[in-house]
Order: sequence, then C-alpha cells, then structure tokens
Amino acid sequence: QKEVEQNSGPLSVPEGAIASLNCTYSDRGSQSFFWYRQYSGKSPELIMFIYSNGDKEDGRFTAQLNKASQYVSLLIRDSQPSDSATYLCAVNGGYQKVTFGTGTKLQVIP
Amino acid sequence: DGGITQSPKYLFRKEGQNVTLSCEQNLNHDAMYWYRQDPGQGLRLIYYSQIVNDFQKGDIAEGYSVSREKKESFPLTVTSAQKNPTAFYLCASSMRQQETQYFGPGTRLLVL
Repeated sequence: QKEVEQNSGPLSVPEGAIASLNCTYSDRGSQSFFWYRQYSGKSPELIMFIYSNGDKEDGRFTAQLNKASQYVSLLIRDSQPSDSATYLCAVNGGYQKVTFGTGTKLQVIP
Repeated sequence: DGGITQSPKYLFRKEGQNVTLSCEQNLNHDAMYWYRQDPGQGLRLIYYSQIVNDFQKGDIAEGYSVSREKKESFPLTVTSAQKNPTAFYLCASSMRQQETQYFGPGTRLLVL
C-alpha cells in the first residue's frame, strides 16, 4: 500500500465548477498535510497546509482534513483554466519525512 | 528578493561523468532537501539536511552525494554510479524539519 495515494486523473471540470481533489494516507500518526500545485515543467508551489480536522479556507481554495478516515481533500471553487495543473498532496508522517503523492492532473475546460 | 535558486536549469551528463547541481537559499531556513521527480511518479527524497555539516540519506540516495558546508547551500552531485540519472531534480527548504517546504525552480538532467 502506498503511503500517500491520489487518483492520477485527469480530472476534467468545466470552467466555473467546483473541482474536488482527494488524497488518502496510511500513517495514522501523520500530523500535517500540504497541497502543492505544479504546472507542467515547473516546480511545485504551496497552495495550502492544514493541521487540524475540519475545513480551512483561503480564497477559492478549501482544504478538508478527516484524520479518522485518513483523507485530506482540496476543493477549488469557480475553477479557472489557469487552475489546470497537477496537484500534489504531501503528508508529514511524523518520522521527520514528508511523503508526496503522485499527483492528480486537473483540466479546467473553458 | 528571498527564495531558492537552482542552477543550471538544464544539465547534460556524459556517461561516466560526475555532475553537480547547485541549490542556494536566502530564506534563513535550517533544513534543505533534494528530490527527484520522474514522469508519473511522485517526488522521491534523495538527501536531506537539518543543520550545517550534517545530512541524512533519503529513500534513493544510491549514486548521489551531498554536502552542507554553509547554511545557504546544499549542492547535489550525481555520480557515475547513478545509472539512470535522467530526471527533474528539485531542491527545497523549510524553516525546520517537518515544516512547510518551499521549492526551487528545478534542474532537468539529461544524459548524452
């Protein structure tokens, strides 16, 4: 079982819709969770981090964490073509190492 | 202008050659990391360093070496022992271990 799992996609959504990206993790001791956006050929850039159960909102982005079910999700409201990218989930497993998922490719269709 | 710089942007390696990738940060971060990214795969940790003059192997350290003589710098050498070095190499740093990591622009290594 992979430590951090994401659906590779592509996830296609129409412009203006809500995009929902999901990530599951195996280490119950994980303490912090990160979402990065990576455009093709570029390096990852941090979108959000979340430590506590529940929702965390920042502009059009909402991160949701459920430690009991071991999943973290990212919602993108009013999706724009510029949101088209690969989204990486990263989990701090408590062993002084952050593990990255393989990413979900999002395509926003104009 | 604070940030992480990596050079060169593209690097070509001949068979049997060692090459060194540069990573510099002026964020005053203690921890620095090197990752390798291959198509369709996540980021894989090569080496990390929590403090000057100390570093630890990550998941795929074989064929690579690093040094951390200065807080700002964490160069990665890809040795001739690394038989499949073609990849996108990413350097990252964080204030301390386990905290949010920020990435440099990356170096793409190709084999001639």
